Amino acid sequence: KQEVTQIPAALSVPEGENLVLNCSFTDSAIYNLQWFRQDPGKGLTSLLLIQSSQREQTSGRLNASLDKSSGRSTLYIAASQPGDSATYLCAVSTRGSSNTGKLIFGQGTTLQVKP
Amino acid sequence: DTAVSQTPKYLVTQMGNDKSIKCEQNLGHDTMYWYKQDSKKFLKIMFSYNNKELIINETVPNRFSPKSPDKAHLNLHINSLELGDSAVYFCASSRAGGSYEQYFGPGTRLTVT
Repeated sequence: KQEVTQIPAALSVPEGENLVLNCSFTDSAIYNLQWFRQDPGKGLTSLLLIQSSQREQTSGRLNASLDKSSGRSTLYIAASQPGDSATYLCAVSTRGSSNTGKLIFGQGTTLQVKP
Repeated sequence: DTAVSQTPKYLVTQMGNDKSIKCEQNLGHDTMYWYKQDSKKFLKIMFSYNNKELIINETVPNRFSPKSPDKAHLNLHINSLELGDSAVYFCASSRAGGSYEQYFGPGTRLTVT
C-alpha cells in the first residue's frame, strides 16, 4: 500500500531564505509525482509534475527532484517570499490494474515566510 | 474559461438530508475524479471515472454515488448525510492513463449540522 510522508509538517523562515521541502513514498511503482500548493480555504494549484523517468523539473524559483529508487522527492524554493506562504502537498500517481493513476497525497508542509 | 468547475462552493445542510455536488471540466479530458479533504486537511481519492465508466472506488460508503452523464461531467450525490461527511470535496480531471497531470477544481465545502 502506497504511503506518502512529508517532512516537516510546518516550517517558518525569514524572507529571502532558500528552503527544501521533503516528500517520501513507500512504493516506487509510480507514474509520476506532483507538487501542489494550497492556500487557506482555496483549491489546489499544480506547481510541478515529474514523470517517473525524470529526475527533476524546474519552474521559476521552484525546483523539484525525484529519486524513485529511494522513494524521495524534494521541492526547493529559492529566495523565498511572503507570497510563498501556503501549504505544499506532494502526491504520487500510483500504478493500478486499471492503468489509471490515483493520487496518494502526503499530509502537507505548511510554510510561513516572514517579511 | 475555468478548466474544472464545481457547484456549489459552499453547502450547509442537516443530518439525514440528500445533496449533490456538480463538477464540469472543459479540458476535453476522459478521466475525472472525486477527492475528499477531511478536517485534518488530508486529501484522499474517492472515485474515478474514465469516459463515463467507474474505474476506481475506494471503499467509500454506498451513501455516496457518483454519476457521469457524459465525460465532461461527474456529479457526486450523497444520501442520508452524516456529521462525518463534513469536508471539502474536490473534483479533478486528466487525460486517460496514469501519467498525466490532474487538474483540480476549487472545491466544495460541505458542512453537515
